[in-house]
Amino acid sequence: QKEVEQNSGPLSVPEGAIASLNCTYSDRVSQSFFWYRQYSGKSPELIMSIYSNGDKEDGRFTAQLNKASQYVSLLIRDSQPSDSATYLCAVISGTASKLTFGTGTRLQVTL
Amino acid sequence: SAVISQKPSRDICQRGTSLTIQCQVDSQVTMMFWYRQQPGQSLTLIATANQGSEATYESGFVIDKFPISRPNLTFSTLTVSNMSPEDSSIYLCSVEEMGRGVTGELFFGEGSRLTVL
Repeated sequence: QKEVEQNSGPLSVPEGAIASLNCTYSDRVSQSFFWYRQYSGKSPELIMSIYSNGDKEDGRFTAQLNKASQYVSLLIRDSQPSDSATYLCAVISGTASKLTFGTGTRLQVTL
Repeated sequence: SAVISQKPSRDICQRGTSLTIQCQVDSQVTMMFWYRQQPGQSLTLIATANQGSEATYESGFVIDKFPISRPNLTFSTLTVSNMSPEDSSIYLCSVEEMGRGVTGELFFGEGSRLTVL
């Protein structure tokens, strides 16, 4: 079982719609969760972090965490073509204290 | 946020040779991380480099193949030794802000794209 799992996509959504990106993790004691965005040919950049169960909102982005289900999601409201990128879920393992990345979900926002 | 410069940005190398990648940060940082991203794949941590101590390598990566230097708080190098086509990848340097421990909030360099023929 992979430590951090994501659907590779591509996830295609029309402009203005809500994009929903999902991630599951295997280490039950993980405490810190992150979403990175990576444009094609570029390096990853951090867009959201979440540490507690529930929702965390930042502009058009909402991160959701459910530790009981070991599930993290990222919602992007009013999706724009500029949101087209690969979104990497990352988790700090509770035991190893290192950041582990999922394989990423490629998002395509269509006009 | 830290600004990270990596050199070279890309290179084409011959099998059996070695290449050293440099990573320069505009501020002092405790921990520097070297990742590899193979085509279409996610990021895999190679090693963590702390100033004044030996680098800590992840499972599957060894010092003989990926020697790392960390001479001060703003600079590190990663050498890819005795390269084979399987080493063709993007190598990324990343850092966390000084003094905050392992936060998961990483800043990345632009990456070094290596192609081994």
